[in-house]
Amino acid sequence: DADVTQTPRNRITKTGKRIMLECSQTKGHDRMYWYRQDPGLGLRLIYYSFDVKDINKGEISDGYSVSRQAQAKFSLSLESAIPNQTALYFCATSDLVVGGTENHNEQFFGPGTRLTVL
Amino acid sequence: GQNIDQPTEMTATEGAIVQINCTYQTSGFNGLFWYQQHAGEAPTFLSYNVLDGLEEKGRFSSFLSRSKGYSYLLLKELQMKDSASYLCAVNQAGTALIFGKGTTLSVSS
Repeated sequence: DADVTQTPRNRITKTGKRIMLECSQTKGHDRMYWYRQDPGLGLRLIYYSFDVKDINKGEISDGYSVSRQAQAKFSLSLESAIPNQTALYFCATSDLVVGGTENHNEQFFGPGTRLTVL
Repeated sequence: GQNIDQPTEMTATEGAIVQINCTYQTSGFNGLFWYQQHAGEAPTFLSYNVLDGLEEKGRFSSFLSRSKGYSYLLLKELQMKDSASYLCAVNQAGTALIFGKGTTLSVSS
């Protein structure tokens, strides 16, 4: 079974509609992230959460909101979708490991959601 | 400000060696990651450097110079399956990873 799952995997919607993308993880990680990926622009951070009561804006949070319902779940909402939000969306998780020379924040990605807004 | 630069595209032939460079300017540097991403798929972890020097892992090696804000990923004995995008990402203390725009590598026979 996949450690990080995203639903739906593909979605086509119309301008103005409210959309929710969901992410679940079984890795037991505290940290979760939402990114969008556009051709030529790489991965850009939308929101991130370091625990259930923590929500932080990323580089491109305008037009998006998030909810961290539990340690294992982090959902992304588009309140009123617009065409330039058409992109590939990735959820990721990480668990900060501190010790010695290791200070990992390695991120584990879900399979992605391809969203098209018409 | 934050800035991560890597070449947009590179090409190479099977069996060759290729070096993908990454330069960065960020605050609170706490390590650098390299990820591989095949088209339409999720990124997967390749390497992590927090100290200066070379980390070797099979056909892939990664180098870091913190004083120069520079890293490279070295791929040896290239195979067709190495055709992918390679993402450089900086770990900023207390926040999330910041990714470069990625380098698309095309390997031909």
